[in-house]
Amino acid sequence: ETGVTQSPTHLIKTRGQQVTLRCSSQSGHNTVSWYQQALGQGPQFIFQYYREEENGRGNFPPRFSGLQFPNYSSELNVNALELDDSALYLCASSPWDRGTRGETQYFGPGTRLLVL
Amino acid sequence: DQQVKQNSPSLSVQEGRISILNCDYTNSMFDYFLWYKKYPAEGPTFLISISSIKDKNEDGRFTVFLNKSAKHLSLHIVPSQPGDSAVYFCAASLNSNSGYALNFGKGTSLLVTP
Repeated sequence: ETGVTQSPTHLIKTRGQQVTLRCSSQSGHNTVSWYQQALGQGPQFIFQYYREEENGRGNFPPRFSGLQFPNYSSELNVNALELDDSALYLCASSPWDRGTRGETQYFGPGTRLLVL
Repeated sequence: DQQVKQNSPSLSVQEGRISILNCDYTNSMFDYFLWYKKYPAEGPTFLISISSIKDKNEDGRFTVFLNKSAKHLSLHIVPSQPGDSAVYFCAASLNSNSGYALNFGKGTSLLVTP
C-alpha cells in the first residue's frame, strides 16, 4: 500500500510568483486536506477536498486555491507569493464518507517552500 | 487565535520513566481529540485519539486522558523509550457538515535519554 506522497520536496520562489504543490493520496482515500506549518508552529488547516469539491476552508485568503482530481490526487496553488508564505505544506488523505467522521488523517512528508 | 495550546515546547525524560505531555483547548465545541507524532523530514503520524464522550483511551504504552471541565488533555507514555523522541502534536476537531479540519497545537519536543 502506497502512502501519501508530495512533490516537490523543496522549492524556492520569489515574492509575487505563483506556485503549485502536488499530493498523491493513499490508496482508497477520497478526502485530501492541506495544512501550512510555519516554523515553530503547528500545522494550520488551509482547506479540504472531498470528491473533487472544496469541503471546508480555514482562514486563508483566496490566493490559496486547490484542485482534486478523479484519482483523488490534489494540487495546492498559491498566487502572488508573500514572504510569510514560507512554510512546510502538508497534505493529508483520509477515507471519509459523508455521514461518518474520518478519525485519522494520513500525512505526507510535506513540501518546504521558501519565498525570497 | 490559537484554540489548541501546548505550553511546553520541550520535555526531557529518562528511558523507562513516564512522559506526560499536556494540551489545553479553548473551544468547547471540539468533540474529538488526537495526538500525532512527528519525526524530522516526515509528516505527522497518528498516535492515539479520544472522543469527547470518554475520559480515557489506552493503546499499549500510550494513554490519553481527557478532562472536559478543565478543557485539558494529556498523553502518558509508559515506559518511555529512546525511539519515542519526536515532536508530539495535540489536535482537536469539530463535527461539521463541511469537513473536519484538525486544529493543532504548536507541539512539544520530547527527548528520551538512555
